[in-house]
Amino acid sequence: NAGVTQTPKFQVLKTGQSMTLQCAQDMNHEYMSWYRQDPGMGLRLIHYSVGAGITDQGEVPNGYNVSRSTTEDFPLRLLSAAPSQTSVYFCASSPTGDGYGYTFGSGTRLTVV
Amino acid sequence: KQEVTQIPAALSVPEGENLVLNCSFTDSAIYNLQWFRQDPGKGLTSLLLIQSSQREQTSGRLNASLDKSSGRSTLYIAASQPGDSATYLCAVPFNTDKLIFGTGTRLQVFP
Repeated sequence: NAGVTQTPKFQVLKTGQSMTLQCAQDMNHEYMSWYRQDPGMGLRLIHYSVGAGITDQGEVPNGYNVSRSTTEDFPLRLLSAAPSQTSVYFCASSPTGDGYGYTFGSGTRLTVV
Repeated sequence: KQEVTQIPAALSVPEGENLVLNCSFTDSAIYNLQWFRQDPGKGLTSLLLIQSSQREQTSGRLNASLDKSSGRSTLYIAASQPGDSATYLCAVPFNTDKLIFGTGTRLQVFP
Protein backbone atom coordinates (compact mmCIF):
# COMPACT_ATOMS: atom_id res chain seq x y z
CA ASN A 1 0.00 0.00 0.00
CA ALA A 2 1.21 3.49 -0.86
CA GLY A 3 2.13 5.60 2.11
CA VAL A 4 4.80 6.48 4.65
CA THR A 5 6.68 3.65 6.36
CA GLN A 6 8.53 4.18 9.61
CA THR A 7 10.86 1.71 11.28
CA PRO A 8 11.27 0.62 13.98
CA LYS A 9 7.90 0.97 15.74
CA PHE A 10 9.45 0.73 19.20
CA GLN A 11 12.98 1.28 20.46
CA VAL A 12 14.72 1.49 23.82
CA LEU A 13 18.11 3.17 23.95
CA LYS A 14 20.62 3.81 26.68
CA THR A 15 21.80 7.34 27.28
CA GLY A 16 24.64 8.18 24.90
CA GLN A 17 23.77 5.60 22.26
CA SER A 18 23.10 6.64 18.69
CA MET A 19 20.52 5.35 16.27
CA THR A 20 18.67 6.13 13.06
CA LEU A 21 14.93 6.24 12.64
CA GLN A 22 13.96 5.28 9.12
CA CYS A 23 11.27 6.90 7.01
CA ALA A 24 10.36 5.98 3.45
CA GLN A 25 7.52 7.11 1.17
CA ASP A 26 6.47 5.78 -2.22
CA MET A 27 4.26 8.63 -3.40
CA ASN A 28 7.01 10.71 -5.02
CA HIS A 29 6.36 13.54 -2.56
CA GLU A 30 8.89 16.35 -2.51
CA TYR A 31 8.22 17.47 1.06
CA MET A 32 9.13 15.31 4.05
CA SER A 33 9.30 16.18 7.72
CA TRP A 34 9.95 14.77 11.17
CA TYR A 35 7.88 15.63 14.23
CA ARG A 36 8.05 14.59 17.84
CA GLN A 37 4.96 14.30 20.00
CA ASP A 38 5.08 14.74 23.74
CA PRO A 39 2.13 14.78 26.17
CA GLY A 40 0.36 18.13 26.23
CA MET A 41 2.61 19.65 23.56
CA GLY A 42 1.12 18.56 20.27
CA LEU A 43 3.52 17.82 17.42
CA ARG A 44 6.74 19.83 17.18
CA LEU A 45 8.75 20.01 13.99
CA ILE A 46 12.32 18.69 14.21
CA HIS A 47 13.65 18.86 10.64
CA TYR A 48 12.13 19.05 7.21
CA SER A 49 13.10 18.73 3.56
CA VAL A 50 11.65 20.36 0.46
CA GLY A 51 13.39 17.96 -1.93
CA ALA A 52 16.36 15.65 -2.37
CA GLY A 53 19.55 17.27 -1.15
CA ILE A 54 17.74 20.04 0.76
CA THR A 55 17.06 20.01 4.50
CA ASP A 56 16.31 22.63 7.11
CA GLN A 57 15.75 22.91 10.84
CA GLY A 58 12.40 23.07 12.49
CA GLU A 59 11.41 24.12 15.99
CA VAL A 60 13.40 21.54 18.01
CA PRO A 61 16.42 20.40 15.94
CA ASN A 62 19.08 20.05 18.65
CA GLY A 63 20.41 16.52 19.05
CA TYR A 64 19.12 15.34 15.67
CA ASN A 65 20.56 15.14 12.18
CA VAL A 66 18.87 14.43 8.86
CA SER A 67 19.84 13.90 5.25
CA ARG A 68 17.84 13.52 2.04
CA SER A 69 19.86 11.69 -0.58
CA THR A 70 16.77 10.38 -2.41
CA THR A 71 13.19 11.55 -2.82
CA GLU A 72 11.93 8.40 -1.06
CA ASP A 73 13.99 8.35 2.14
CA PHE A 74 14.39 10.78 5.01
CA PRO A 75 16.22 9.20 7.98
CA LEU A 76 16.46 10.90 11.37
CA ARG A 77 19.66 10.34 13.34
CA LEU A 78 20.01 10.70 17.09
CA LEU A 79 23.66 11.44 17.70
CA SER A 80 23.89 10.79 21.44
CA ALA A 81 20.55 9.86 22.95
CA ALA A 82 19.32 11.68 26.05
CA PRO A 83 16.29 10.97 28.28
CA SER A 84 14.76 14.25 27.02
CA GLN A 85 14.48 12.60 23.59
CA THR A 86 12.01 10.04 24.90
CA SER A 87 9.03 10.69 22.69
CA VAL A 88 6.92 9.44 19.82
CA TYR A 89 8.37 10.39 16.45
CA PHE A 90 6.29 10.86 13.31
CA CYS A 91 7.45 11.20 9.74
CA ALA A 92 5.22 12.89 7.17
CA SER A 93 5.33 13.55 3.46
CA SER A 94 3.35 15.80 1.13
CA PRO A 95 3.48 16.90 -2.51
CA THR A 96 3.75 20.50 -1.28
CA GLY A 97 4.50 21.88 2.16
CA ASP A 98 1.51 24.16 2.53
CA GLY A 99 -0.90 21.75 4.16
CA TYR A 100 -2.25 19.80 1.20
CA GLY A 101 -1.96 16.05 0.91
CA TYR A 102 -0.04 15.29 4.10
CA THR A 103 0.46 11.59 4.83
CA PHE A 104 1.81 10.47 8.20
CA GLY A 105 3.62 7.34 9.20
CA SER A 106 2.39 5.31 12.17
CA GLY A 107 5.16 6.54 14.46
CA THR A 108 8.19 5.30 16.38
CA ARG A 109 7.95 5.18 20.16
CA LEU A 110 11.43 5.84 21.55
CA THR A 111 12.46 5.46 25.18
CA VAL A 112 15.88 6.60 26.36
CA VAL A 113 16.93 5.23 29.75
CA LYS B 1 6.14 33.20 15.11
CA GLN B 2 2.94 31.29 14.58
CA GLU B 3 1.48 29.71 17.70
CA VAL B 4 -1.51 27.39 17.68
CA THR B 5 -3.49 26.45 20.78
CA GLN B 6 -6.50 24.22 21.33
CA ILE B 7 -9.18 24.29 23.98
CA PRO B 8 -10.21 22.16 25.76
CA ALA B 9 -7.24 19.83 26.24
CA ALA B 10 -9.58 16.95 27.05
CA LEU B 11 -13.29 16.30 26.79
CA SER B 12 -15.46 13.41 27.94
CA VAL B 13 -19.09 13.30 26.83
CA PRO B 14 -21.97 10.82 26.54
CA GLU B 15 -22.90 9.46 23.17
CA GLY B 16 -25.23 11.64 21.11
CA GLU B 17 -23.99 15.04 22.24
CA ASN B 18 -23.01 17.76 19.80
CA LEU B 19 -19.45 18.98 20.38
CA VAL B 20 -17.34 22.02 19.62
CA LEU B 21 -13.56 21.90 19.61
CA ASN B 22 -11.64 25.16 19.42
CA CYS B 23 -8.38 26.14 17.72
CA SER B 24 -6.68 29.54 17.95
CA PHE B 25 -3.72 30.85 15.96
CA THR B 26 -1.69 34.03 16.38
CA ASP B 27 -0.80 34.90 12.77
CA SER B 28 -3.88 35.37 10.60
CA ALA B 29 -1.90 35.30 7.33
CA ILE B 30 -2.57 31.62 6.71
CA TYR B 31 -3.20 29.74 3.44
CA ASN B 32 -5.46 27.19 5.05
CA LEU B 33 -6.23 25.37 8.30
CA GLN B 34 -6.52 21.64 8.67
CA TRP B 35 -8.06 19.35 11.26
CA PHE B 36 -6.52 15.94 11.90
CA ARG B 37 -7.62 12.92 13.87
CA GLN B 38 -5.18 10.70 15.77
CA ASP B 39 -6.16 7.34 17.18
CA PRO B 40 -4.09 5.89 20.06
CA GLY B 41 -0.81 4.46 18.81
CA LYS B 42 -1.49 5.56 15.26
CA GLY B 43 -0.48 8.34 12.91
CA LEU B 44 -2.59 11.33 11.91
CA THR B 45 -5.41 11.31 9.40
CA SER B 46 -6.63 14.49 7.75
CA LEU B 47 -10.32 15.20 8.35
CA LEU B 48 -10.99 18.61 6.84
CA LEU B 49 -8.96 21.34 5.19
CA ILE B 50 -10.39 24.85 4.97
CA GLN B 51 -8.82 27.19 2.48
CA SER B 52 -8.26 30.80 3.52
CA SER B 53 -11.01 31.95 1.12
CA GLN B 54 -13.57 29.62 2.71
CA ARG B 55 -15.50 30.09 5.93
CA GLU B 56 -16.41 26.47 6.51
CA GLN B 57 -16.03 22.90 5.28
CA THR B 58 -18.24 19.90 5.95
CA SER B 59 -17.72 16.15 5.85
CA GLY B 60 -20.51 13.97 7.17
CA ARG B 61 -21.11 14.81 10.82
CA LEU B 62 -18.08 17.11 10.92
CA ASN B 63 -18.16 20.82 10.20
CA ALA B 64 -15.13 23.08 10.48
CA SER B 65 -15.29 26.86 10.39
CA LEU B 66 -12.56 29.43 9.94
CA ASP B 67 -12.46 33.07 11.04
CA LYS B 68 -9.09 34.46 10.00
CA SER B 69 -9.72 37.93 11.39
CA SER B 70 -10.18 36.60 14.90
CA GLY B 71 -7.58 33.83 14.53
CA ARG B 72 -10.00 31.05 15.33
CA SER B 73 -11.34 27.81 13.95
CA THR B 74 -13.92 25.43 15.37
CA LEU B 75 -14.60 21.78 14.67
CA TYR B 76 -18.23 20.83 15.24
CA ILE B 77 -19.07 17.15 15.69
CA ALA B 78 -22.75 16.34 15.48
CA ALA B 79 -24.38 13.42 17.29
CA SER B 80 -21.12 12.09 18.72
CA GLN B 81 -20.43 8.34 18.76
CA PRO B 82 -17.95 6.19 20.71
CA GLY B 83 -16.04 5.73 17.46
CA ASP B 84 -15.29 9.46 17.50
CA SER B 85 -13.04 8.96 20.52
CA ALA B 86 -9.57 10.15 19.49
CA THR B 87 -7.27 13.14 19.71
CA TYR B 88 -8.11 15.99 17.35
CA LEU B 89 -5.39 18.38 16.20
CA CYS B 90 -5.55 21.51 14.12
CA ALA B 91 -2.61 22.68 11.99
CA VAL B 92 -1.69 25.66 9.85
CA PRO B 93 1.09 25.97 7.26
CA PHE B 94 3.98 28.30 8.01
CA ASN B 95 6.27 29.82 5.38
CA THR B 96 4.65 27.52 2.75
CA ASP B 97 6.87 24.59 3.64
CA LYS B 98 5.83 23.20 7.04
CA LEU B 99 2.86 22.62 9.30
CA ILE B 100 2.50 24.03 12.80
CA PHE B 101 0.26 21.93 15.05
CA GLY B 102 -1.93 22.80 17.98
CA THR B 103 -1.67 21.01 21.30
CA GLY B 104 -4.67 18.78 20.58
CA THR B 105 -7.98 17.91 22.22
CA ARG B 106 -8.39 14.38 23.55
CA LEU B 107 -12.01 13.35 23.12
CA GLN B 108 -13.74 10.43 24.79
CA VAL B 109 -17.32 9.56 23.91
CA PHE B 110 -18.86 6.98 26.21
CA PRO B 111 -21.95 4.88 25.49
